[in-house]
Amino acid sequence: DTGVSQNPRHKITKRGQNVTFRCDPISEHNRLYWYRQTLGQGPEFLTYFQNEAQLEKSRLLSDRFSAERPKGSFSTLEIQRTEQGDSAMYLCASSLGAGSDEQYFGPGTRLTVT
Amino acid sequence: QQPVQSPQAVILREGEDAVINCSSSKALYSVHWYRQKHGEAPVFLMILLKGGEQKGHDKISASFNEKKQQSSLYLTASQLSYSGTYFCGTANYGGSQGNLIFGKGTKLSVKP
Repeated sequence: DTGVSQNPRHKITKRGQNVTFRCDPISEHNRLYWYRQTLGQGPEFLTYFQNEAQLEKSRLLSDRFSAERPKGSFSTLEIQRTEQGDSAMYLCASSLGAGSDEQYFGPGTRLTVT
Repeated sequence: QQPVQSPQAVILREGEDAVINCSSSKALYSVHWYRQKHGEAPVFLMILLKGGEQKGHDKISASFNEKKQQSSLYLTASQLSYSGTYFCGTANYGGSQGNLIFGKGTKLSVKP
């Protein structure tokens, strides 16, 4: 039974550099979500895809953030010109895609911007 | 609108019961409950839909009061493994609206 996987698990980068994270959802899941979580807070929604279509983006997602899901399978989240405030855990989740259904989270990518 | 969770933290002895509440100022379509242990991803516990019944498995159950826009998570006869931070995530719409708004969490510590 393969769950949601994310790579890398940890990323340390210098301010101003670009970073890209990958998420592989559960194989039969049509929806894929990206969240950001900082210490002591719940996950904050960033964006989600229904198959390859990006259906919703949070206003938290500045122009430096971009997400793709080519062919409706894996997804990538890119952050350009990273800032120290971008340091957080980036979580990916997937679901079957029927209304408000269960979302299953991956282990996350912890980003540290120095 | 972020849901409000209470209490912020609770300490229990093994075998004791706890209730965690999640309240929203907006009309809710569904409430999702997750448990997260330190350094790990949130783990799905259960989902409650508007008009649905109370859910539960093992010694963890939850209810959804539509009039009060509130959900409660009940943990009975707590075990050490129940320790972690519990989050409720709320959805205001069904259909194409897919994102959840999470509360700040309730930290539960179960002591032997």
